[in-house]
Amino acid sequence: NAGVTQTPKFQVLKTGQSMTLQCAQDMNHEYMSWYRQDPGMGLRLIHYSVGAGITDQGEVPNGYNVSRSTTEDFPLRLLSAAPSQTSVYFCASTPDRRNTGELFFGEGSRLTVL
Amino acid sequence: TQLLEQSPQFLSIQEGENLTVYCNSSSVFSSLQWYRQEPGEGPVLLVTVVTGGEVKKLKRLTFQFGDARKDSSLHITAAQPGDTGLYLCAGGGYSGAGSYQLTFGKGTKLSVIP
Repeated sequence: NAGVTQTPKFQVLKTGQSMTLQCAQDMNHEYMSWYRQDPGMGLRLIHYSVGAGITDQGEVPNGYNVSRSTTEDFPLRLLSAAPSQTSVYFCASTPDRRNTGELFFGEGSRLTVL
Repeated sequence: TQLLEQSPQFLSIQEGENLTVYCNSSSVFSSLQWYRQEPGEGPVLLVTVVTGGEVKKLKRLTFQFGDARKDSSLHITAAQPGDTGLYLCAGGGYSGAGSYQLTFGKGTKLSVIP
Protein backbone atom coordinates (compact mmCIF):
# COMPACT_ATOMS: atom_id res chain seq x y z
CA ASN A 1 0.00 0.00 0.00
CA ALA A 2 1.99 2.99 -1.28
CA GLY A 3 -0.44 5.80 -0.36
CA VAL A 4 1.25 9.20 -0.78
CA THR A 5 4.87 9.01 -1.91
CA GLN A 6 7.25 11.95 -1.75
CA THR A 7 10.72 12.24 -3.24
CA PRO A 8 13.37 13.12 -2.35
CA LYS A 9 13.30 12.64 1.44
CA PHE A 10 16.28 14.95 1.94
CA GLN A 11 17.75 17.71 -0.24
CA VAL A 12 20.35 20.42 0.21
CA LEU A 13 20.31 23.37 -2.18
CA LYS A 14 22.30 26.53 -2.60
CA THR A 15 20.53 29.88 -2.73
CA GLY A 16 19.22 30.51 -6.23
CA GLN A 17 19.07 26.89 -7.32
CA SER A 18 15.83 25.38 -8.54
CA MET A 19 14.34 21.99 -7.82
CA THR A 20 11.14 20.00 -7.87
CA LEU A 21 9.67 18.01 -4.99
CA GLN A 22 7.70 15.08 -6.32
CA CYS A 23 4.41 13.79 -4.90
CA ALA A 24 2.43 10.83 -6.17
CA GLN A 25 -0.66 9.11 -4.78
CA ASP A 26 -2.17 5.82 -5.91
CA MET A 27 -5.56 6.20 -4.18
CA ASN A 28 -7.31 8.11 -7.01
CA HIS A 29 -7.80 11.09 -4.70
CA GLU A 30 -9.14 14.27 -6.27
CA TYR A 31 -7.71 16.72 -3.75
CA MET A 32 -3.96 17.14 -3.29
CA SER A 33 -2.02 19.74 -1.38
CA TRP A 34 1.42 20.87 -0.26
CA TYR A 35 2.22 22.05 3.27
CA ARG A 36 5.38 23.28 4.88
CA GLN A 37 6.13 22.61 8.53
CA ASP A 38 8.43 24.91 10.47
CA PRO A 39 9.23 24.86 14.21
CA GLY A 40 6.69 26.93 16.12
CA MET A 41 4.64 27.60 12.98
CA GLY A 42 2.65 24.44 12.49
CA LEU A 43 1.55 23.24 9.06
CA ARG A 44 0.92 25.97 6.50
CA LEU A 45 -0.78 25.40 3.17
CA ILE A 46 1.30 26.35 0.11
CA HIS A 47 -0.80 25.25 -2.89
CA TYR A 48 -3.63 22.84 -3.48
CA SER A 49 -5.49 21.16 -6.33
CA VAL A 50 -9.06 19.88 -6.53
CA GLY A 51 -8.43 17.86 -9.67
CA ALA A 52 -6.28 17.48 -12.77
CA GLY A 53 -5.72 20.83 -14.44
CA ILE A 54 -6.91 22.84 -11.42
CA THR A 55 -4.60 24.47 -8.87
CA ASP A 56 -4.94 27.30 -6.39
CA GLN A 57 -2.87 29.18 -3.85
CA GLY A 58 -2.86 28.53 -0.15
CA GLU A 59 -1.60 30.62 2.74
CA VAL A 60 2.09 30.84 1.74
CA PRO A 61 2.39 30.43 -2.07
CA ASN A 62 5.21 32.88 -2.84
CA GLY A 63 8.32 31.27 -4.31
CA TYR A 64 6.54 28.04 -5.25
CA ASN A 65 4.81 26.76 -8.39
CA VAL A 66 2.63 23.72 -8.88
CA SER A 67 0.88 21.91 -11.70
CA ARG A 68 -1.53 18.97 -11.86
CA SER A 69 -1.43 17.26 -15.21
CA THR A 70 -2.65 13.92 -13.86
CA THR A 71 -4.78 12.79 -10.91
CA GLU A 72 -1.79 10.95 -9.42
CA ASP A 73 0.97 13.57 -9.48
CA PHE A 74 1.33 16.99 -7.88
CA PRO A 75 4.90 18.32 -8.08
CA LEU A 76 6.06 21.40 -6.17
CA ARG A 77 8.66 23.58 -7.89
CA LEU A 78 11.04 26.01 -6.22
CA LEU A 79 12.22 28.36 -8.96
CA SER A 80 14.99 30.15 -7.06
CA ALA A 81 15.55 28.69 -3.61
CA ALA A 82 16.02 31.00 -0.63
CA PRO A 83 17.17 30.19 2.93
CA SER A 84 13.63 31.07 4.12
CA GLN A 85 12.42 28.01 2.23
CA THR A 86 14.37 25.69 4.49
CA SER A 87 11.61 23.52 5.90
CA VAL A 88 9.97 20.12 5.93
CA TYR A 89 7.46 19.79 3.11
CA PHE A 90 4.46 17.49 3.22
CA CYS A 91 2.20 16.43 0.40
CA ALA A 92 -1.32 15.36 1.39
CA SER A 93 -4.37 14.06 -0.41
CA THR A 94 -8.00 13.28 0.29
CA PRO A 95 -10.66 11.54 -1.79
CA ASP A 96 -13.14 14.42 -1.80
CA ARG A 97 -12.31 17.46 -3.91
CA ARG A 98 -14.09 19.51 -1.25
CA ASN A 99 -11.36 18.47 1.24
CA THR A 100 -13.82 17.70 4.01
CA GLY A 101 -12.38 14.34 5.02
CA GLU A 102 -9.21 12.77 6.29
CA LEU A 103 -5.95 14.06 4.87
CA PHE A 104 -3.42 11.36 3.98
CA PHE A 105 0.13 12.68 4.30
CA GLY A 106 3.38 11.57 2.76
CA GLU A 107 6.47 11.05 4.91
CA GLY A 108 7.84 14.49 4.14
CA SER A 109 10.77 16.03 2.28
CA ARG A 110 13.36 17.85 4.36
CA LEU A 111 14.87 20.74 2.40
CA THR A 112 17.85 22.83 3.48
CA VAL A 113 18.78 25.94 1.52
CA LEU A 114 22.27 27.28 2.20
CA THR B 1 -7.62 34.00 8.59
CA GLN B 2 -8.85 31.50 11.16
CA LEU B 3 -6.37 30.80 13.95
CA LEU B 4 -6.12 27.78 16.23
CA GLU B 5 -4.19 28.03 19.48
CA GLN B 6 -2.94 24.82 21.03
CA SER B 7 -1.82 24.46 24.61
CA PRO B 8 0.42 23.44 26.11
CA GLN B 9 3.12 23.63 23.45
CA PHE B 10 5.25 21.02 25.25
CA LEU B 11 4.26 18.37 27.77
CA SER B 12 6.48 15.83 29.51
CA ILE B 13 4.80 13.37 31.84
CA GLN B 14 5.44 10.03 33.52
CA GLU B 15 3.91 6.83 32.23
CA GLY B 16 0.49 6.27 33.80
CA GLU B 17 -0.41 9.93 34.23
CA ASN B 18 -3.41 11.62 32.65
CA LEU B 19 -3.20 14.69 30.45
CA THR B 20 -5.35 17.10 28.47
CA VAL B 21 -4.40 19.09 25.38
CA TYR B 22 -6.45 22.09 24.31
CA CYS B 23 -7.25 23.62 20.95
CA ASN B 24 -8.96 27.03 20.99
CA SER B 25 -10.14 29.57 18.46
CA SER B 26 -12.35 32.62 18.19
CA SER B 27 -13.71 31.22 14.93
CA VAL B 28 -16.41 28.64 14.40
CA PHE B 29 -15.35 25.50 12.52
CA SER B 30 -17.46 23.05 10.55
CA SER B 31 -15.27 20.20 11.76
CA LEU B 32 -12.29 19.60 13.98
CA GLN B 33 -9.67 16.95 13.33
CA TRP B 34 -6.89 15.66 15.56
CA TYR B 35 -3.71 14.22 14.06
CA ARG B 36 -0.66 12.58 15.63
CA GLN B 37 2.76 12.92 14.06
CA GLU B 38 5.80 10.83 14.93
CA PRO B 39 9.37 11.97 14.14
CA GLY B 40 10.26 11.60 10.47
CA GLU B 41 6.70 10.83 9.44
CA GLY B 42 3.63 12.66 8.25
CA PRO B 43 0.60 13.34 10.47
CA VAL B 44 -1.97 10.56 10.82
CA LEU B 45 -5.62 11.25 11.54
CA LEU B 46 -6.90 10.19 14.96
CA VAL B 47 -10.46 11.52 14.89
CA THR B 48 -12.88 13.97 13.28
CA VAL B 49 -15.63 15.69 15.26
CA VAL B 50 -18.35 17.68 13.53
CA THR B 51 -21.17 18.33 16.03
CA GLY B 52 -21.00 20.87 18.86
CA GLY B 53 -20.65 19.03 22.18
CA GLU B 54 -19.64 15.79 20.46
CA VAL B 55 -17.45 13.38 22.43
CA LYS B 56 -15.53 10.56 20.78
CA LYS B 57 -13.40 7.91 22.43
CA LEU B 58 -10.53 6.01 20.90
CA LYS B 59 -9.26 3.52 23.49
CA ARG B 60 -7.56 5.72 26.12
CA LEU B 61 -8.06 8.94 24.12
CA THR B 62 -11.16 11.09 24.56
CA PHE B 63 -11.91 13.92 22.16
CA GLN B 64 -14.45 16.66 22.73
CA PHE B 65 -15.76 19.38 20.42
CA GLY B 66 -16.98 22.51 22.19
CA ASP B 67 -20.66 23.37 22.13
CA ALA B 68 -19.98 26.47 20.03
CA ARG B 69 -17.60 24.56 17.73
CA LYS B 70 -14.76 26.96 18.53
CA ASP B 71 -12.64 24.70 20.70
CA SER B 72 -11.70 21.11 21.31
CA SER B 73 -9.80 19.00 23.80
CA LEU B 74 -7.91 15.74 23.77
CA HIS B 75 -7.66 13.80 27.02
CA ILE B 76 -5.34 10.83 27.40
CA THR B 77 -5.85 8.46 30.31
CA ALA B 78 -2.92 6.50 31.72
CA ALA B 79 -0.41 7.72 29.15
CA GLN B 80 2.03 5.22 27.69
CA PRO B 81 5.41 5.76 25.97
CA GLY B 82 3.73 4.86 22.67
CA ASP B 83 1.61 8.01 23.01
CA THR B 84 4.74 10.14 22.53
CA GLY B 85 4.47 12.41 19.51
CA LEU B 86 3.25 15.74 18.15
CA TYR B 87 -0.50 16.23 18.42
CA LEU B 88 -2.06 18.60 15.91
CA CYS B 89 -5.58 19.94 15.78
CA ALA B 90 -7.03 21.18 12.50
CA GLY B 91 -10.22 23.17 12.03
CA GLY B 92 -12.19 22.87 8.81
CA GLY B 93 -14.20 25.62 7.20
CA TYR B 94 -14.88 27.52 4.01
CA SER B 95 -12.50 30.31 3.05
CA GLY B 96 -13.52 33.63 1.57
CA ALA B 97 -12.84 32.18 -1.87
CA GLY B 98 -15.37 29.45 -1.22
CA SER B 99 -12.97 26.55 -0.88
CA TYR B 100 -12.95 24.24 2.16
CA GLN B 101 -9.63 24.40 3.97
CA LEU B 102 -8.04 23.06 7.11
CA THR B 103 -6.29 25.41 9.52
CA PHE B 104 -3.72 23.65 11.67
CA GLY B 105 -2.68 24.53 15.18
CA LYS B 106 1.03 24.67 16.00
CA GLY B 107 0.91 21.38 17.86
CA THR B 108 1.56 19.95 21.30
CA LYS B 109 4.72 17.91 21.66
CA LEU B 110 4.08 15.11 24.16
CA SER B 111 6.79 13.02 25.77
CA VAL B 112 5.78 10.10 27.97
CA ILE B 113 8.65 8.92 30.15
CA PRO B 114 8.72 5.23 31.08
